[in-house]
Amino acid sequence: DAEITQSPRHKITETGRQVTLACHQTWNHNNMFWYRQDLGHGLRLIHYSYGVHDTNKGEVSDGYSVSRSNTEDLPLTLESAASSQTSVYFCASSEKLAGSAYNEQFFGPGTRLTVL
Amino acid sequence: AQKITQTQPGMFVQEKEAVTLDCTYDTSDPSYGLFWYKQPSSGEMIFLIYQGSYDQQNATEGRYSLNFQKARKSANLVISASQLGDSAMYFCAMRLPYNTDKLIFGTGTRLQVFP
Repeated sequence: DAEITQSPRHKITETGRQVTLACHQTWNHNNMFWYRQDLGHGLRLIHYSYGVHDTNKGEVSDGYSVSRSNTEDLPLTLESAASSQTSVYFCASSEKLAGSAYNEQFFGPGTRLTVL
Repeated sequence: AQKITQTQPGMFVQEKEAVTLDCTYDTSDPSYGLFWYKQPSSGEMIFLIYQGSYDQQNATEGRYSLNFQKARKSANLVISASQLGDSAMYFCAMRLPYNTDKLIFGTGTRLQVFP
């Protein structure tokens, strides 16, 4: 079955370190997204991609970067981790299906990141 | 500004009763889509139901229905015959612009179903 996975599931790091969160999907979807979830804010869009070599900034992109070298993967990098980036991170993917009125986003299981 | 508002941080409902979770949205774009997601304590995001801005009828999916009132800019989720397994966080989201898959989410409502 097609799926979307994230690794690691839990990560503790120190302020100032570079951290990369992996996202891998086997849906063969062109669209991929990264969100962060914080209490009182719901999910907020960090970065998104509509295909290989395409990346775009979302609502809360400062301090984060992504790259898309293939269809399956969209890694999220925190260049210099800050305590404000302690959060749960969700990756999602979607695709426009012929005849479909909407594109459902399929979410990964999430990565809980703690920055000390 | 485009925004989703969920004003109920928490809701309680007795098993087998119906419950309505509120969602209001703000956009000047005539084309948009509205989604509801469920997030159980295990953390995954589960898609429940979708309503397009041009849809003439309210969306329904099993025990879930969406009370779409376009003039009031509200898209409330109705869960009928609540079950203990419905206890979870529920998020309303809006897709904007319409021809993309970018979602903006509300802050969520925590629903607790008691026996």
